[in-house]
Amino acid sequence: AQSVTQPDIHITVSEGASLELRCNYSYGATPYLFWYVQSPGQGLQLLLKYFSGDTLVQGIKGFEAEFKRSQSSFNLRKPSVHWSDAAEYFCAVGAQGQGAQKLVFGQGTRLTINP
Amino acid sequence: GAVVSQHPSRVICKSGTSVKIECRSLDFQATTMFWYRQFPKQSLMLMATSNEGSKATYEQGVEKDKFLINHASLTLSTLTVTSAHPEDSSFYICSARERLGEQYFGPGTRLTVT
Repeated sequence: AQSVTQPDIHITVSEGASLELRCNYSYGATPYLFWYVQSPGQGLQLLLKYFSGDTLVQGIKGFEAEFKRSQSSFNLRKPSVHWSDAAEYFCAVGAQGQGAQKLVFGQGTRLTINP
Repeated sequence: GAVVSQHPSRVICKSGTSVKIECRSLDFQATTMFWYRQFPKQSLMLMATSNEGSKATYEQGVEKDKFLINHASLTLSTLTVTSAHPEDSSFYICSARERLGEQYFGPGTRLTVT
């Protein structure tokens, strides 16, 4: 069974600083990987996803993530954060063969932005 | 992008009563809908998957008689929490998917059982 670990429960960065949120997964085959953002009162929004191909994936809002098979990681990065990036971030893995429909989520990382 | 709505956004009910939560896909036909439960400061846990016109498939450990799921149309799924108890208090989130497309998530429903 697949699983996802987000080692950092809470991260605080200053506005304008760079950001990296960690995600490690466990899955026997090549996984489908996702990053979602959850803001209060809003549904989860997909930032980016990796299915195959280029291991560096570009997403919305200036985010990117890199799939590293050797490290079983899919870390999310942004070169310069904005106050509006404060939210909860979830990494998820979907199993192949089911159209990646069954998602397993990490426990989430809460991002706080200092002015 | 596609929009998924949930109603109500917040509900308080008394122990022993039943509560229905609606999930609607507003601008697409959702062949599959998913129901998740999220505890405070924790991850989303998949409760069940429902395909339109079929019985829902429940995850291990989820009581199908307590959490009744109906997916009667391509735009509506409902979750009914029967005989609710305080331990059922949680944040319930649905998502909807068109064929093999992306999952779109609703804003969630906060259930409080007193």
